[in-house]
Amino acid sequence: GEDVEQSLFLSVREGDSSVINCTYTDSSSTYLYWYKQEPGAGLQLLTYIFSNMDMKQDQRLTVLLNKKDKHLSLRIADTQTGDSAIYFCAESASGGSYIPTFGRGTSLIVHP
Amino acid sequence: NAGVTQTPKFRVLKTGQSMTLLCAQDMNHEYMYWYRQDPGMGLRLIHYSVGEGTTAKGEVPDGYNVSRLKKQNFLLGLESAAPSQTSVYFCASSSLTGGDTDTQYFGPGTRLTVL
Repeated sequence: GEDVEQSLFLSVREGDSSVINCTYTDSSSTYLYWYKQEPGAGLQLLTYIFSNMDMKQDQRLTVLLNKKDKHLSLRIADTQTGDSAIYFCAESASGGSYIPTFGRGTSLIVHP
Repeated sequence: NAGVTQTPKFRVLKTGQSMTLLCAQDMNHEYMYWYRQDPGMGLRLIHYSVGEGTTAKGEVPDGYNVSRLKKQNFLLGLESAAPSQTSVYFCASSSLTGGDTDTQYFGPGTRLTVL
């Protein structure tokens, strides 16, 4: 079945860039997402990328997709303490049931 | 729009008790989902619904039942709660327009403790 893998923790210094990585196995993945979960809250969509794209930039966020290696990354430039959260990678295929598969989440800790 | 709301926010049950978690969405979404989130396990899909009157099992359905009598509501029931069901439960909804809106909107979660 489908599988989405992420490292569980990442610690960075405030002002540095953060890179959160994700790998997936489903070659039919069409949509790839990054969600952010702040403490005590639900998940919120940060950004997404279609499988026919290599890169997407949205202000401080850059998503890179290597479809050949099934590797997705999220880069956060100038990381701030407010970026501390759990980041989930998710993928889904187009058509039929929309049932995304989530990774286990990466806890990003930003320290001064 | 309120988006996705969940009630209650917190609940403590004794083993064997029953309860129903309510999820409501005001975005006219077709799809609704119930997940549980446990430390280190990420999100696991319990049940989902592709429309009013239809439900389907997810990854971890045992011990739970669901109903979708109205399009805007999705109920999750625990008939006989067990300590293993201590978790944070999230409801989500999504539409299927084939575009940017094919993403999930999540509720704030229900923290359930079973003693």
